[in-house]
Amino acid sequence: RKEVEQDPGPFNVPEGATVAFNCTYSNSASQSFFWYRQDCRKEPKLLMSVYSSGNEDGRFTAQLNRASQYISLLIRDSKLSDSATYLCVVNKFSSGSARQLTFGSGTQLTVLP
Amino acid sequence: DAGVIQSPRHEVTEMGQEVTLRCKPISGHDYLFWYRQTMMRGLELLIYFNNNVPIDDSGMPEDRFSAKMPNASFSTLKIQPSEPRDSAVYFCASRAGRLGEQYFGPGTRLTVT
Repeated sequence: RKEVEQDPGPFNVPEGATVAFNCTYSNSASQSFFWYRQDCRKEPKLLMSVYSSGNEDGRFTAQLNRASQYISLLIRDSKLSDSATYLCVVNKFSSGSARQLTFGSGTQLTVLP
Repeated sequence: DAGVIQSPRHEVTEMGQEVTLRCKPISGHDYLFWYRQTMMRGLELLIYFNNNVPIDDSGMPEDRFSAKMPNASFSTLKIQPSEPRDSAVYFCASRAGRLGEQYFGPGTRLTVT
């Protein structure tokens, strides 16, 4: 079983739609959670951190359910510029006690005009 | 701000040749990571350094792969000899401290024929 699992999509949605991505992780000791965005042929970039209480950044809302080991990302009023691959990311601590990031395979989103 | 710098951006080489990928982290960042991304396996951590010291190389696929960080502003990832299955995008990333945000370089797209 993969440490971080995501639905690969693709999700094709019209402009203005609301879309939700889900992610599950296997290591119950994981402590930090993130969503990264990766545009085609570009590097991943941090979109937002995910906190237990849930957090919002403009049109983006992230939720964490530790009991179910489940993370979600909600995008409201989607824009053409939101088209990208969204990577669910979970930390783990290595033997050196430094945080390592484990990346999901990503969910591809295309917003259509 | 220059960000993480990687060179070359593209590399095409023949099987059996040595390949050296280079990375300059963001000034002041004490963690450096090397990742590989493929369609099949997603983004995988190969090795990471803290203060120029390799901490965890458990992700390095084989002895053909080696990484060095001779100083705080430079790291290399070497593949010798290269094989077609090494074809991937190799990302370098850096971070300030254990919990800082991780910044990726633009990647090196490697094709081994």
